[in-house]
Amino acid sequence: GQQLNQSPQSMFIQEGEDVSMNCTSSSIFNTWLWYKQDPGEGPVLLIALYKAGELTSNGRLTAQFGITRKDSFLNISASIPSDVGIYFCAGQPETSGSRLTFGEGTQLTVNP
Amino acid sequence: DAGITQSPRHKVTETGTPVTLRCHQTENHRYMYWYRQDPGHGLRLIHYSYGVKDTDKGEVSDGYSVSRSKTEDFLLTLESATSSQTSVYFCAISTTGVYGYTFGSGTRLTVV
Repeated sequence: GQQLNQSPQSMFIQEGEDVSMNCTSSSIFNTWLWYKQDPGEGPVLLIALYKAGELTSNGRLTAQFGITRKDSFLNISASIPSDVGIYFCAGQPETSGSRLTFGEGTQLTVNP
Repeated sequence: DAGITQSPRHKVTETGTPVTLRCHQTENHRYMYWYRQDPGHGLRLIHYSYGVKDTDKGEVSDGYSVSRSKTEDFLLTLESATSSQTSVYFCAISTTGVYGYTFGSGTRLTVV
């Protein structure tokens, strides 16, 4: 099936630092989504991207839909302790209908 | 809350016993999904439904069955639980995949 390569797998940063993570695929995607999962909870949608080249912000978060439609990145600026969690990218492949494919996640730890 | 409830939240069961997990939504969304989450594998699709009595297999469907007799309920059954099915199970709902999924809070299943 479709695969998404998400990197890095984990990050340990100091409060106030900026963070960048990305997802790549060998297939073309129609939609890219970024989710955050807090411990003991389900993932929650942060940002959705629908068009190649699209750059979207949500507070301190910025995400882009790659121009080739095969990648996306998420940046978090000025990290704070509550940014801790697992961040997942997800994409809707061209051929999958309503189903999303998920990356393996990036575990973010923020040290105060 | 987003109108999606999973039950039970935690369960310990013995190898070889049948187990049913329930997902209930109050959003009247057409699509419902069951995922499992394991370290190093992210979220993997087990089964999904695109309407009452309309279901299909995901990438890791072996050993699992589903039923959807009402719009609001999607049941996941492990016919004969094995230790490899120890995992956290998430249900998700969507109107269409383009707009992303809303996830439940998960069921932590331990098979001993």
